Formats: sequence, C-alpha cells, structure tokens
Amino acid sequence: SQTIHQWPATLVQPVGSPLSLECTVEGTSNPNLYWYRQAAGRGLQLLFYSVGIGQISSEVPQNLSASRPQDRQFILSSKKLLLSDSGFYLCAWTNRGPYTEAFFGQGTRLTVV
Amino acid sequence: AQSVAQPEDQVNVAEGNPLTVKCTYSVSGNPYLFWYVQYPNRGLQFLLKYITGDNLVKGSYGFEAEFNKSQTSFHLKKPSALVSDSALYFCAVRDSFSGGYNKLIFGAGTRLAVHP
Repeated sequence: SQTIHQWPATLVQPVGSPLSLECTVEGTSNPNLYWYRQAAGRGLQLLFYSVGIGQISSEVPQNLSASRPQDRQFILSSKKLLLSDSGFYLCAWTNRGPYTEAFFGQGTRLTVV
Repeated sequence: AQSVAQPEDQVNVAEGNPLTVKCTYSVSGNPYLFWYVQYPNRGLQFLLKYITGDNLVKGSYGFEAEFNKSQTSFHLKKPSALVSDSALYFCAVRDSFSGGYNKLIFGAGTRLAVHP
C-alpha cells in the first residue's frame, strides 16, 4: 500500500534562517506531488506542484521554493524565513488519472520567531 | 471562476442525531468532488468522492454524500453523529483546467462539533 511521510512534525525557526521540509511517498511511482500551506487551521493554499523529477510549478510567488530530486521525494525550501512563513505545511500526492483523490502527509507545524 | 463554498463555519450536532455539512461548487464541465476530514494538527484524510454514477456516495466511517447536479451541491451526511466525528471538514472539486496536474480547489472548511 502507498504511504506518505513528511517531516519534521514541528519546527521552530528564527527569522532569516533557512528551511527544508521533506516529503517522500512509498508504494507508487510517478506520483503528482503537492505542497500546501494551511493558515489559522482553515483554508488550504496550494504552493507548488510537480508531475515529474525536476518539474515544479508554483501557484503563488513567495519566499519559498520546491524541488523534486527523485521521483517520490518533494522538498520545500527557503533561504531566509519570514514571520509570515509560519503555518501548517502539508505534502500530498495523487496518481496520474483524472479521478484520483489526494493523499496527505501528517503535516509540519512551522513557527517562525 | 471555479470555486467551492462551504457556507457554514461551524455545525453543532448532538450525539446520535443526523448531521449535514453543506458544500456547493462551481466548475466547468463534469465535477469531480471530494470530502476530507482533518483532526487537530494532522493531515487531511480522504472520506469519499463523486466521479459519476449514483448520486449517493458512501465513504469511510459511515459518512455519505449526496450529489445534486441541479443545485450544484455535494452535502456530506451521516445518519448518527459520534463525538469522535468532531473535526474540520473540507469539500473539494477537481480543477477542470488542471489537466494532468489534478489540482484540487478546496472550500474554506466547516468545523463540526458533536456534543454528548
């Protein structure tokens, strides 16, 4: 069966420090991968998505970047964190077909201080 | 523009009573609709989806949803609520223009509180 791992679960980082959040998927190949941010425990904002190695699409210009160095690995990064980067970050994957649901990781709670 | 609306920020239900969480959508073409549940500080869990066919879709944990094309709605229902159902519920629709990217458009979420 497929599983998705996301770490760390919580992170407290000072303003101006770098960020690296990692997500890996097991049990499938060629998944679509996504990074979302959830602010204030409510709506989800799609940040990045990827349909293959090295292919990254950005939804919203911001202080973050994403990379996909391997088929089932998706990394969210920042060179210098801002206070406004605080939030709950969720990684997700889908199969390639049009009727597929998304499966989410457990999330990372990022607090920038 | 494509969108999903969840008109209620919070729904309060007594344990054992039926519950409904409302969702309406606006999308080009055939809608592919999803419901997710989120417990505190956790990721979203998939509950059910409507792709085509029977308008009543059954999902996990006793939940079901009714697709109504004329009202562009996809309300989530459960015949008898449990305290453990208390969580944040999200309705989503597949972005018709996302092609192979399978992007989802989420509603703002509805907090369900089930009281003993």
